[in-house]
Amino acid sequence: DIVMTQSPDSLAVSLGERATINCKSSQSVLYSPNNKNYLAWYQQKPGQPPKLLIYWASTRESGVPDRFGGSGSGTDFTLTISSLQAEDVAVYYCQQYYSTPYTFGQGTRLEIK
Amino acid sequence: EVQLVESGGGLVQPGGSLRLSCAASGLTISGYWMHWVRQAPGKGLVWVSRINSDGTTTTYADSVKGRFTISRDNAKNTLYLQMNSLRAEDTAVYYCARVYGDYGWFDPWGQGTLVTVSS
Repeated sequence: DIVMTQSPDSLAVSLGERATINCKSSQSVLYSPNNKNYLAWYQQKPGQPPKLLIYWASTRESGVPDRFGGSGSGTDFTLTISSLQAEDVAVYYCQQYYSTPYTFGQGTRLEIK
Repeated sequence: EVQLVESGGGLVQPGGSLRLSCAASGLTISGYWMHWVRQAPGKGLVWVSRINSDGTTTTYADSVKGRFTISRDNAKNTLYLQMNSLRAEDTAVYYCARVYGDYGWFDPWGQGTLVTVSS
């Protein structure tokens, strides 16, 4: 199984500042034939299901604000929120869909400082 | 409105059974792989099972293999999860989700249904 490890577990950032969440996979999720990273990011607010933010490691889902950005390749990935807004308080998960069992990171809780 | 709606959760004793349903409205599940993902109270997301578009291929997490069965009825636009021999550690909110292609991201997700296994 591919193990996904996020860092940090929790993060407090001031409004308007940058938030950075890291995700590392135990093996590469880059599929060479199409040069795509099989990595997604989700946002989950209390009492709600996860919401897709990013897929293919860096493609923003339609309707997701452009302050959310994904980067990285192979085994190391980053979710960046360029200017934190109050509504961004949530838990963020990375997930690999390179192979089954699909696996998620443990989650990063983002709060306002 | 485009949505997946889970139902069938509830309180069940250890060793008991439940059948979850996931009904799609405003979207079709036909032609798509469908998955179940669960989340224990206060914990993270864990993938449970998947089924291909015509129901001929299924995959399970080791923790539920032999106890859970995923199925679908494309005519009813509905996904199912039959859960047998339930254990306390199966207590979780169960989400259904659609995936485009053999390997892809989860979108959309249902609102989830809570399964509590307790005596």
